[in-house]
Amino acid sequence: EVQVAESGGGLVQPGGSLRLSCVASGFTFTHFWMTWVRQAPGKGLEWVANIDQVASEMYYVDSVKGRFTISRDNAKNSVYLQMNNLRAEDTAVYYCAKVVLGAMDVWGQGTTVTVSS
Amino acid sequence: DSQLTQSPSFLSASVGDRVTITCRASQVVSPYLAWYQQKPGKAPNLLIYAASTLQSGVPSRFSGSGSGTDFTLTISSLQPEDFATYYCQQLNSLPPKTYTFGQGTKLEIK
Repeated sequence: EVQVAESGGGLVQPGGSLRLSCVASGFTFTHFWMTWVRQAPGKGLEWVANIDQVASEMYYVDSVKGRFTISRDNAKNSVYLQMNNLRAEDTAVYYCAKVVLGAMDVWGQGTTVTVSS
Repeated sequence: DSQLTQSPSFLSASVGDRVTITCRASQVVSPYLAWYQQKPGKAPNLLIYAASTLQSGVPSRFSGSGSGTDFTLTISSLQPEDFATYYCQQLNSLPPKTYTFGQGTKLEIK
């Protein structure tokens, strides 16, 4: 079965850090871009970051540039999101997704990040 | 960056109705326009990619069309399980390869 599964969310204080992980299975991980999307409580979807197959291209939404870093380990079929200097507005469910032809065709169940003192 | 505006933001309809949701881009977008369905507490589900290609496993009552700056998602005959929120999404295919989502359309039962 083709799937991705996120982990690593939790409660963190403003200014703190978290590292989200996403493990993929059921497909050839090295063939695909991967992406992170978040959804704040009661809000719409917001793309956060993406990474190409060999980690040579990474892109970010402006609001997280300089604070978040996307990476991948193809040997472990995993993609990560290192989040530093977290703010209250980063509170959201974070989804990992596989990308094909510009669309996100496989999504995980999401992991919740809450930034609060 | 191109912005995506969906209309309407809320839509009330009945089972069996034909409904259309529009997604308008602020500038000409790549062909990589997708549509998603999301139900409360669940991850989004891909319906349409490349503006008009039906994702495998998605019922044929869903269809997508459009090009340039104007795109539509049509549900030909609403079923009870179709009441959800729908999002369009585009990829900027030239660097920076960023994505943008529309604000969403909540489809409710009349």
